[in-house]
Amino acid sequence: EAGVAQSPRYKIIEKRQSVAFWCNPISGHATLYWYQQILGQGPKLLIQFQNNGVVDDSQLPKDRFSAERLKGVDSTLKIQPAKLEDSAVYLCASSFRGLAGGEDTQYFGPGTRLTVL
Amino acid sequence: KQEVTQIPAALSVPEGENLVLNCSFTDSAIYNLQWFRQDPGKGLTSLLLIQSSQREQTSGRLNASLDKSSGRSTLYIAASQPGDSATYLCAVRSGGYNKLIFGAGTRLAVHP
Repeated sequence: EAGVAQSPRYKIIEKRQSVAFWCNPISGHATLYWYQQILGQGPKLLIQFQNNGVVDDSQLPKDRFSAERLKGVDSTLKIQPAKLEDSAVYLCASSFRGLAGGEDTQYFGPGTRLTVL
Repeated sequence: KQEVTQIPAALSVPEGENLVLNCSFTDSAIYNLQWFRQDPGKGLTSLLLIQSSQREQTSGRLNASLDKSSGRSTLYIAASQPGDSATYLCAVRSGGYNKLIFGAGTRLAVHP
């Protein structure tokens, strides 16, 4: 079974530029998550999709971050414009159901390391 | 608001030692608690998952315990090896929709 795929693996940009990250979840997984992991901290959930719909984006800085999941499969996360404090690893994860109250393992991709100069 | 704290932040030990990593959380209303391993440049790998009704889980040299009432979990690593060197993250699942709240991790270095 193929794992969660992410690209690019590394990205360096200047502040105020825009950047996009791509995620391909495990086949058949209904739920997709984007996390931000700043150096020295644990991952923080930015947005969670259940199929095409957003179920939690409470910690997504909506003035600069956007995400979409077309056709309930692949997803892209965009930052526009980027700030210095956006330097982090962006992790994508997927799970089979993502339903409340039930056990549902999240599988993580390798992440994209973003450096904003 | 759920908060997860891990102690120590970093640990360096000689090979063969038995280790205890600590995790604490502020809200005892959790569905489960997971321990993950993170290697540099790689994603997270789930090591152990303890349901809220369970007290411990074991996998090989790893044993995780959960005391939900006191908001604590420990990860015990027996006979540590250099290959165990990584960052270990604790996460609790609370609230709806499978949301995980992570601690900042313990960075472990096991030297020969």
